[in-house]
Amino acid sequence: EVQLVESGGGLVQPGGSLRLSCAASGFTVSSDYMTWVRQTPGKGLEWVSIIYSGGSTYYADSVKGRFTISRDDSKNTLYLQMNSLRAEDTAVYYCVRDLSFWGQGTLVTVSS
Amino acid sequence: DIVMTQTPLSLSVTPGQPASISCKSSQSLLHTDGRTYLYWYLQKPGQPPQLLIYEVSNRFSGLPDRFSGSGSGTDFTLKISRVEAEDVGVYYCMQSIQLPTTFGQGTRLEIK
Repeated sequence: EVQLVESGGGLVQPGGSLRLSCAASGFTVSSDYMTWVRQTPGKGLEWVSIIYSGGSTYYADSVKGRFTISRDDSKNTLYLQMNSLRAEDTAVYYCVRDLSFWGQGTLVTVSS
Repeated sequence: DIVMTQTPLSLSVTPGQPASISCKSSQSLLHTDGRTYLYWYLQKPGQPPQLLIYEVSNRFSGLPDRFSGSGSGTDFTLKISRVEAEDVGVYYCMQSIQLPTTFGQGTRLEIK
């Protein structure tokens, strides 16, 4: 059974950092492309980043230079390192397996 | 970026009656590989989005056949032939022909 379990969200001050994790089971993260998508009440669903099986990565303009997507094949886990966080990064962050299966999400709140 | 526009934004349907949601993209979603990268998701209350339809008209595993997707190029439709109470939630279309992947604003379906 495919499972994706996100963790690492929380409250952080503007300018701070967080690292989100997405532990996968039932499949191998390195064999599929994995995506981070965030959701806010105001802006709906927003694609954040993608990592392909070959390791290529891409980012939304809104997070480029601040966020880094990566994976640890030995732990079968996807990550999103988020630096220089802003209030507008406040959202529920979902990891998604090849656009077909979404984790439950983790809430990130950026506020002083 | 490709803009995805859904109509209507909300829908109130009597159980057993049909429902239809339109999604228009600002550019063609037909790839040179012959596939059209248009997806439909349903987000039920308190849950992450779940894939319903991929590549315009292919039902994802276990989806009842009362759901159907159609369209081509820039115009797409999701139809529910007979709405049931479990169909409530927000429906999103999404394109993945080009990064950034983009979503429609969502269509909220409620039961009368």
